[in-house]
Amino acid sequence: EVQLVESGGGVVRPGGSLRLSCAASGFTFDDYGMSWVRQAPGKGLEWVSAINWSGGSTTYAGSVKGRFTISRDNAKNSLYLQMNSLRVEDTALYYCARGDSGASPDRFDYWGQGTPVTVSS
Amino acid sequence: QSVLTQPPSVSAAPGQKVTISCSGSSSNIGNNYVSWYQQLPGTAPKLLIYDNYKRPSGIPDRFSGSKSGTSATLGITGLQTGDEADYYCGTWDSSLSAGVFGGGTKLTVL
Repeated sequence: EVQLVESGGGVVRPGGSLRLSCAASGFTFDDYGMSWVRQAPGKGLEWVSAINWSGGSTTYAGSVKGRFTISRDNAKNSLYLQMNSLRVEDTALYYCARGDSGASPDRFDYWGQGTPVTVSS
Repeated sequence: QSVLTQPPSVSAAPGQKVTISCSGSSSNIGNNYVSWYQQLPGTAPKLLIYDNYKRPSGIPDRFSGSKSGTSATLGITGLQTGDEADYYCGTWDSSLSAGVFGGGTKLTVL
């Protein structure tokens, strides 16, 4: 059974940093690209970032480019999102999602349950 | 403002059929595959349709997808109260080099 379990969310002040993690199991992790998708309270889905199967290619939404860094450790079956210079508008539930092998996914076939991030002074 | 445009809400009676539209442009829907997601209240999104019309294993054939030009449509037949959810379309935008979603459509089964 495919499982994606996010962790690392919390409350942080504007300008602060957080590192999210996603532990994957039930599939061959390094066969797949992975993404982070977020959902602000009461709002729709927003794609944040993607990484290809090897970690050699990454893409970012304009709203986070230069502030967030996606990475993966295939030996640990884990995906990460380093979030720096956080803003109030980054407040959301952050989902880890499985894509295809690349860093330009057009579908996400499995999702975690999300980890909440609140940016507030 | 979302890159892909969906109606905010649709409604229909149990047993009836409903369609949800998703409008984009040549840089996204026009040249990439479309996927559709169902998000039940308080839960993570679930993939319903990928590659414009394909259904993952376990998704009933009451759910269908189609694409024409720069628009896509999700169809749901034999509506059930359990289908009440938010539905999102998504794809890749080649100009933005970013994933994009529609703003979501809330389905009410009256």
